Order: sequence, then C-alpha cells, then structure tokens
Amino acid sequence: RKEVEQDPGPFNVPEGATVAFNCTYSNSASQSFFWYRQDCRKEPKLLMSVYSSGNEDGRFTAQLNRASQYISLLIRDSKLSDSATYLCVVNPSWDSSYKLIFGSGTRLLVRP
Amino acid sequence: GAVVSQHPSWVICKSGTSVKIECRSLDFQATTMFWYRQFPKQSLMLMATSNEGSKATYEQGVEKDKFLINHASLTLSTLTVTSAHPEDSSFYICSARPRNTEAFFGQGTRLTVV
Repeated sequence: RKEVEQDPGPFNVPEGATVAFNCTYSNSASQSFFWYRQDCRKEPKLLMSVYSSGNEDGRFTAQLNRASQYISLLIRDSKLSDSATYLCVVNPSWDSSYKLIFGSGTRLLVRP
Repeated sequence: GAVVSQHPSWVICKSGTSVKIECRSLDFQATTMFWYRQFPKQSLMLMATSNEGSKATYEQGVEKDKFLINHASLTLSTLTVTSAHPEDSSFYICSARPRNTEAFFGQGTRLTVV
C-alpha cells in the first residue's frame, strides 16, 4: 500500500464547477498535511496547509479526518487557471530533516 | 516565504558527460535538502536526502555512484549526474524545509542527454 494515495484523474470539469479531491495516508502518526499545486514542467508550489479543524482560502477548502486518515481539497467556482496537478503531501515528523511524503497527484482540467 | 534557488534551469549534454546541478537556500540554513526526479506525466520520485557535512541517504534503486550528492555548506547542495545517458533525461528538483514547515522547491532543472 502506498503511503499517500490519490486518484490520478484527470478530472475534466467546466468553468464554474465545484470539484473535490481526496487523499488517504497510511501513517496514523503523521504530523501535518499540505496540498501543493504543480503546473506542467514547473516545480510544485504550496497551495495550502491542512488543519485539523479544516481551513478555507478563497475558493479552496481543505479538510482533515485523522480518524479515517483522509484529506480532502474542495475547489469552488473553478477557473481555467486552476488546471494543474494537485499533490497531497504528508509530513510524518516535525523534524525538518524528515522527507515529506508526496502522493502521485490528481490532474485537473478546467474547460471553457 | 523561504526561497530555494536551483541552477541551471535546463541543460543539454552529450551522452557520457557529467552534469552538476546546484540547489541553494537563499534566506535560511538547510541542514537537509531533498532531490527529486520527475519523468513526463509521472509523479515526483525522491532520489536522495542530502545531509550537510555527512553522506547523503539514497532511496532504494538510486545509484549513489551515478548521482553524486555533496552538501558542503548549510545553503548549498549539489547533484552531479555522472556519465549521463539518454535515460537520465528528466526533470530534477530540489527542496528544503526551513524549520518545521512546508517544503520549498527549486525551480527545477530539465536535463536532456543526447
């Protein structure tokens, strides 16, 4: 079983749609969680951290369910510019020398 | 936010030659940096963890003699692809984490071996 699992997609949605991505992780002791965005032929960039109470940043909402070891990202009112690959990332330790664990990514295509 | 700078952003080299890629943390000290490789339409694959002042830790299946890592200072790690072959053509990305935060990535290096 992979340490972090995501549906690879692609999710093909029209502009204005709401789309949700899910992610599961295997290490119940994981400390913190993130969503990254990666555009084609570019480096990943942090989209948002994920907090236990859930958090929102504009059109983006992230949620964490520690009991189910499940993370989600909701994008409302999709824009063409949201087309990218979204990476679920898990931090197994507060020690910064520890590697973050990346999911394989979910590809989103927003069409006009 | 923290900045990680990677150089060069792209390189084309002949088969059999070596290529060095630099990764610098510009506004923080990084005792650890991470090197990834990404083939087209595939996910990031961690190659190795670079440790300042000590040997790098390589992931299973990554040849340490082919991918030489040096982390001689708290702000610089280098990855050298030795005797490069066309199958080494890929997107190489480094990252580092200031304290206990998210990871910041370099801009990546697109290597093409001809």
